[in-house]
Amino acid sequence: DIQMTQSPSSLSASVGDSLTITCRAGQSINNYLNWYQHKPGKAPNLLIYAASTLQSGVPSRFSGSGSGTDFTLTISSLQPEDFATYYCQQSYGTPWTFGQGTKVEIK
Amino acid sequence: QVQLQQWGAGLLKPSETLSLTCAVYGGSFRDYFWTWIRQPPGKGLEWIGMTSHGGSSDYNPSLKRRATISLDTSKNQVSLKVISVTAADTAVYYCARGFGPHILREVFRNNWFDPWGQGTPVTVSS
Repeated sequence: DIQMTQSPSSLSASVGDSLTITCRAGQSINNYLNWYQHKPGKAPNLLIYAASTLQSGVPSRFSGSGSGTDFTLTISSLQPEDFATYYCQQSYGTPWTFGQGTKVEIK
Repeated sequence: QVQLQQWGAGLLKPSETLSLTCAVYGGSFRDYFWTWIRQPPGKGLEWIGMTSHGGSSDYNPSLKRRATISLDTSKNQVSLKVISVTAADTAVYYCARGFGPHILREVFRNNWFDPWGQGTPVTVSS
């Protein structure tokens, strides 16, 4: 299985802050990396696919970058609705695997 | 806009069979693959398996061949069955639609899941 490691596991931030979440793959996965936002009791929501393509309807303050083994999700100007857990997921090979999640909390 | 609505039994005893259904409303049913993902309490997301209209299917070996995903094209529904459940199968289960640039050729690489169903909590307890 391809191990996906996110950092940090959690962070505190304020509305208006910019933040970056990192995801590292255990092997090269090209750009086959997706990011999801998950709020308690809700369905996870696709933010970014293929490392850097913004899903339709997702605000432009979300951006993704990376290739190979190292990827980042950046949220510029954090909004109240952005406090959630974020997961990366690789689609290079099955079993498709997720990172352990990064919980973004209000400072 | 496509919506996925899930249902199924939420409380099972060990050794019973988990059975969940996901209905797809709006949008095409055939131009995508369909997948299930679960989240055990306090843990992250685990991919269970997928199936496509072209007959491809793949499962996470962690379920030790206990899972089966099937399609009912007459009803636009996707189902998940997991046999011989244990407490380790306690989780919130999500169905999701899968897409990618090569899926019509039955090549499942560089895919993503969108949208997801609302989730069905399943507890396995004696």
